[in-house]
Amino acid sequence: AQKVTQAQTEISVVEKEDVTLDCVYETRDTTYYLFWYKQPPSGELVFLIRRNSFDEQNEISGRYSWNFQKSTSSFNFTITASQVVDSAVYFCALSEAQRGRSSNTGKLIFGQGTTLQVKP
Amino acid sequence: EAQVTQNPRYLITVTGKKLTVTCSQNMNHEYMSWYRQDPGLGLRQIYYSMNVEVTDKGDVPEGYKVSRKEKRNFPLILESPSPNQTSLYFCASRSHGTTLGNTIYFGEGSWLTVV
Repeated sequence: AQKVTQAQTEISVVEKEDVTLDCVYETRDTTYYLFWYKQPPSGELVFLIRRNSFDEQNEISGRYSWNFQKSTSSFNFTITASQVVDSAVYFCALSEAQRGRSSNTGKLIFGQGTTLQVKP
Repeated sequence: EAQVTQNPRYLITVTGKKLTVTCSQNMNHEYMSWYRQDPGLGLRQIYYSMNVEVTDKGDVPEGYKVSRKEKRNFPLILESPSPNQTSLYFCASRSHGTTLGNTIYFGEGSWLTVV
C-alpha cells in the first residue's frame, strides 16, 4: 500500500531560523510523483513542487529547497531564513503510478500535514 | 485563467438537510475528484471521475454522492449530512495524459459545518 508520513505534527521556529519538514513515503511503484503543498490560514492549497521518481536532483527555489532521496524514501523540504509569512500547514503527497489507463485513479495520497509556526 | 471554482466556500447546515457543493473547472479536464481534509488525517479522496458519466469511489465515499453529466462540473452531494461530515472539502481536476505528473488544480476549498 502507498503511504506518506509526516512525523512532525507541529514545528515552531523563530524568524530567520532554518527549518526542515520531513516526508517519508512508501510505494511499490517504480514510477511515481511527489508533491509539496502549502496551506495558509485562508485554507487554499498552494502548489510548491512536483518531483518524479527518476529525478533525484535536489531543487532550490529562493528560500525553499527539497532533498529527494530514493534510498531512504524521503522527500524533505527546507525553508532557509524562515519568515512569518511561511507560517502554514505543509503537505507532502504521492501520486499513484499508472497501471494502465483503466486503473488510473489519479489519486493523490497525502501525509498528515505539518503545521509550521514562525514567530517574529 | 485556469480555475477550479467551488461553491459555497462556507456553509453551516443542520443534520439531515440535503446539500450540494458545486465544482466547476474551465480547463476541459477529463479527470476530477473530491477530497476532504480532517485534522491529523491530511486529505482523503471521496470520489473521482475519469470523464463524463464515469465516476468511482475513493477512500471515504460513505455519505456522499457525485455526478458527472458535463465535463466541466462535478458536484458533491450530501443527501443527509451528519456532524462527522464537518470538514474542509476540495475539488481537484487535471488532464489525462500518459503521466500522473500532470498538474493538479485544486479549488479554494469549502468549509462545511454540520450541526
